[in-house]
Amino acid sequence: GAGVSQSPSNKVTEKGKDVELRCDPISGHTALYWYRQSLGQGLEFLIYFQGNSAPDKSGLPSDRFSAERTGGSVSTLTIQRTQQEDSAVYLCASSFGLAAAYEQYFGPGTRLTVT
Amino acid sequence: AQSVTQPDIHITVSEGASLELRCNYSYGATPYLFWYVQSPGQGLQLLLKYFSGDTLVQGIKGFEAEFKRSQSSFNLRKPSVHWSDAAEYFCAVEQNAGNMLTFGGGTRLMVKP
Repeated sequence: GAGVSQSPSNKVTEKGKDVELRCDPISGHTALYWYRQSLGQGLEFLIYFQGNSAPDKSGLPSDRFSAERTGGSVSTLTIQRTQQEDSAVYLCASSFGLAAAYEQYFGPGTRLTVT
Repeated sequence: AQSVTQPDIHITVSEGASLELRCNYSYGATPYLFWYVQSPGQGLQLLLKYFSGDTLVQGIKGFEAEFKRSQSSFNLRKPSVHWSDAAEYFCAVEQNAGNMLTFGGGTRLMVKP
């Protein structure tokens, strides 16, 4: 079946512009996660959703970052007024539920380059 | 706070040789531990996981890992490496809520012919 998909696969943007990154989870997966992979910080957790709710937003790096999920499916990560330090690969994952017994399936990522 | 350390940033082994990738964690309770592999241009794929019970867990692609509580370690092993195993390997621990993963810095494996 279809896995987690992310779009765009690559995004180059100018400093100060806003970007939206999209994640389509596996159908039926109620939990969705966003991670960021960068050279300086490695793989770091950003935010998770259970259904459409994100109970803890403390992992987001700054208030320029926001995320939403609608219909218990697609999620969008928005970065406003992008900075060069936002350059990274943004990974999305989904799982059947929140418990650790449920494997997280990762998408291929969106590579964001801020020039 | 939880942390995961992978001491080796790069490892090179010859094809057919055995492999051990080290992972140490810092966590107060019994952790949920994972190993993921990331091939170039690919997403992360779960190799294996440990929750409880038998401390030696088997995974996909011939990998296994052993949980050693006394050493706070969860090292990944493979008896005979194949060229296709060249990739980056990440050890991870589950955080308390929401199944959020804390990752180590990764170990990049290169395989010599």
